Amino acid sequence: DAGVIQSPRHEVTEMGQEVTLRCKPISGHNSLFWYRQTMMRGLELLIYFNNNVPIDDSGMPEDRFSAKMPNASFSTLKIQPSEPRDSAVYFCASRGGGREKLFFGSGTQLSVL
Amino acid sequence: GESVGLHLPTLSVQEGDNSIINCAYSNSASDYFIWYKQESGKGPQFIIDIRSNMDKRQGQRVTVLLNKTVKHLSLQIAATQPGDSAVYFCAETAAGGFKTIFGAGTRLFVKA
Repeated sequence: DAGVIQSPRHEVTEMGQEVTLRCKPISGHNSLFWYRQTMMRGLELLIYFNNNVPIDDSGMPEDRFSAKMPNASFSTLKIQPSEPRDSAVYFCASRGGGREKLFFGSGTQLSVL
Repeated sequence: GESVGLHLPTLSVQEGDNSIINCAYSNSASDYFIWYKQESGKGPQFIIDIRSNMDKRQGQRVTVLLNKTVKHLSLQIAATQPGDSAVYFCAETAAGGFKTIFGAGTRLFVKA
């Protein structure tokens, strides 16, 4: 199994541009999570999906952030327009049934200039 | 966000010694806990978990202790090795819920 796959690995963009981060969860997993990691705030849960349906998006910082999961094998996190304070590492994680351990991708390092 | 980490606590140990990393969790309704290890440039990786009906669980070289009275979790690493150098996070999930919240993390340095 290839694990959780995230792309791109690194993204450098200018303020105001749209950024789209992608995630492919582990096949057969039915829950998907997006986290953001910064030195100041640690690992923050942004949103999670169960069976492709968003369950809790209370961690999404602003309306500039949106996430979708059109099918069981793909999710996107979009920031429009991006701002320098969005610079962080964004992780996607997936989980099988129940409340078991999360499997994380390698993350996307986002830099907004 | 729901996880705040302003200053990462650091633990420095000598190779071969035992390490103890502590975590205070926030939600008394949490009933499932996991320790993750994060190496530089990688995502967090599962180490060991424990449910609230247990006080202790052992894995290979690692032991997790849970004290529900004071909402405290600890990770013990026996015979710490240089490869154990990483940031360690505890994570909690509330009973009846699916949301996993991470603590601030502790950085472990292993001196050779």
